[in-house]
Amino acid sequence: DIQMTQSPSSLSASVGDRVTITCQASQDIRNYLNWYQQKPGKAPSLLIYTASYLETGVPSRFSGTGSGTDFTFTISNLQPEDIATYYCQQYDSLPLTFGGGTQVEIK
Amino acid sequence: QVQLVQSGGEVKKPGASVRVSCKAFGYAFTNYGISWVRQTPGQGLEWMGWISADNGNTNYAQKFQDRVSMTTDTSRTTVHMELRSLRSDDTALYYCARGGDRPYDALDFWGQGTMVAVSS
Repeated sequence: DIQMTQSPSSLSASVGDRVTITCQASQDIRNYLNWYQQKPGKAPSLLIYTASYLETGVPSRFSGTGSGTDFTFTISNLQPEDIATYYCQQYDSLPLTFGGGTQVEIK
Repeated sequence: QVQLVQSGGEVKKPGASVRVSCKAFGYAFTNYGISWVRQTPGQGLEWMGWISADNGNTNYAQKFQDRVSMTTDTSRTTVHMELRSLRSDDTALYYCARGGDRPYDALDFWGQGTMVAVSS
């Protein structure tokens, strides 16, 4: 199985800050990487697919880059409503696997 | 709009089976597949498998291969997931999520989750 390693596991930032989360795959997954947001008590929701494509309706302050084994997710201007846990997920091979999550809090 | 509505929470004893349903609304049901993902505090998000809503083709994670079954009912736009021989570590929140017509895809809509508790 492909292991997905996210870092950091948690972070605290101020409103308006730029926040960056990294995700590393244990092998080359090309650009088959998605990012999800999960707010407390809610199901995950898709933000970014295929490494860098913004899902319809998702604010442009969210972005993703990367290919191969190293990927980055960025929130350019952190808002209070962005408090959530963020997960990466690979779909290059089965089983689909997720990173351990990054919990984002407001300082 | 697209919605996936799951059945209610369950409490089961070890060794029992559980069946969770996922009813789809607002899209062409047979054009997509459904993945099942469970979430536990210890294991995070864990993909269990995928089913084609159209023809019932499945692809299960090896970890669950011997204990899980997924079925589709196109007339009711509903997918079912059965997990057998339950253990305490199967206690989790189970989600269905819409994917593509193959298992390698993003999961763009999720159900609300079904809590399954396994306890003697």
